[in-house]
Amino acid sequence: AQSVTQLDSQVPVFEEAPVELRCNYSSSVSVYLFWYVQYPNQGLQLLLKYLSGSTLVESINGFEAEFNKSQTSFHLRKPSVHISDTAEYFCAVSRYNQGGKLIFGQGTELSVKP
Amino acid sequence: SQTIHQWPATLVQPVGSPLSLECTVEGTSNPNLYWYRQAAGRGLQLLFYSVGIGQISSEVPQNLSASRPQDRQFILSSKKLLLSDSGFYLCAWSGRGRTYEQYFGPGTRLTVT
Repeated sequence: AQSVTQLDSQVPVFEEAPVELRCNYSSSVSVYLFWYVQYPNQGLQLLLKYLSGSTLVESINGFEAEFNKSQTSFHLRKPSVHISDTAEYFCAVSRYNQGGKLIFGQGTELSVKP
Repeated sequence: SQTIHQWPATLVQPVGSPLSLECTVEGTSNPNLYWYRQAAGRGLQLLFYSVGIGQISSEVPQNLSASRPQDRQFILSSKKLLLSDSGFYLCAWSGRGRTYEQYFGPGTRLTVT
């Protein structure tokens, strides 16, 4: 069975500092990998995804994530965060040909302070 | 463009009362539809998914049920709510060819008292 572990439940950082949100998954088969962001009292928005090809994927607002197959990780990074990045971030995996079933991690609450 | 709606946005219901949450999608046809529940500090749990009208798959045994009376309408129901049903309920859709890429609605905050 698949599982997703987000190692940090809360990550407080100062504005303009770099941040890394960690995600590890377990699966015996190939998977698709996703990061979603949830702002307070809102639904989830897809931030970025890894399907195939380059192991480094980027979002339009400066986040990037790297798929590391040997370490079964998909950590999310940003070199300089803004106050507006304060949100909860969810890592998710989906198996190939599994009809879109997403398995989510517990979430990491990113809090950016001035 | 596609949009997904959920209502109500918030709901407070007593234990033992019925529940009906509605989700509709616009701008696409034949979507896959999903219901998730988000409990505090516990991530998201897939409750039901549907690949077509009247076709519902349940992921977790519980006192909730789902129905899909129309192509772009997905309803989550309960005959008798439990305290443990409190949470944030999210509906999502995906296209048939890209089922892994899901788009979420704004959610319904349910508090069972």
